[in-house]
Amino acid sequence: LAKTTQPISMDSYEGQEVNITCSHNNIATNDYITWYQQFPSQGPRFIIQGYKTKVTNEVASLFIPADRKSSTLSLPRVSLSDTAVYYCLVTGRDDKIIFGKGTRLHILP
Amino acid sequence: GAVVSQHPSRVICKSGTSVKIECRSLDFQATTMFWYRQFPKKSLMLMATSNEGSKATYEQGVEKDKFLINHASLTLSTLTVTSAHPEDSSFYICSARDLASGRSYEQFFGPGTRLTVL
Repeated sequence: LAKTTQPISMDSYEGQEVNITCSHNNIATNDYITWYQQFPSQGPRFIIQGYKTKVTNEVASLFIPADRKSSTLSLPRVSLSDTAVYYCLVTGRDDKIIFGKGTRLHILP
Repeated sequence: GAVVSQHPSRVICKSGTSVKIECRSLDFQATTMFWYRQFPKKSLMLMATSNEGSKATYEQGVEKDKFLINHASLTLSTLTVTSAHPEDSSFYICSARDLASGRSYEQFFGPGTRLTVL
């Protein structure tokens, strides 16, 4: 299982674009990169998943460089409700998911 | 689609009693479910992997006789905390994979169960 490293915490302001970078130097060929969001006392919620290049959905974009050793979650125009912990995970098809420490994002008014 | 529920959402019990937590996949079949525990301000810690029809696989340091896991059907896994003590108070979260769909890399998480042992 590839280990991930991401910033412990980040602050930003409403309306700003927030980019959270995660490093995963030991990612394997068959691994995907997945980001989850967690609010206090709730289960993690899937945000986005990708294998390479760029993936975009209605809530975020995920940028993955060619070497796949890192990835960046981009949240456009954040609001106060985006204050949460964001987890970057690397997993293969049948692997269990091991959570790292996550990034505690705090959005300020 | 791909909803996972947990019951109860919160439970308070006396020390020494046993507590059962249910995890259900509501609209898909989950051959594998996972149980996590999360302490305040900490990350999720994987406790065990629950496979339908077979014994669960526990992570190192997790007592299998204390945390009994049963995965009797493709939509239900249960975690029983036996002889609970205050140090078992935590937030327990389950997740499941939908291997039949093309989203098998994704895990779907339940809302969690808050256990408080007095």
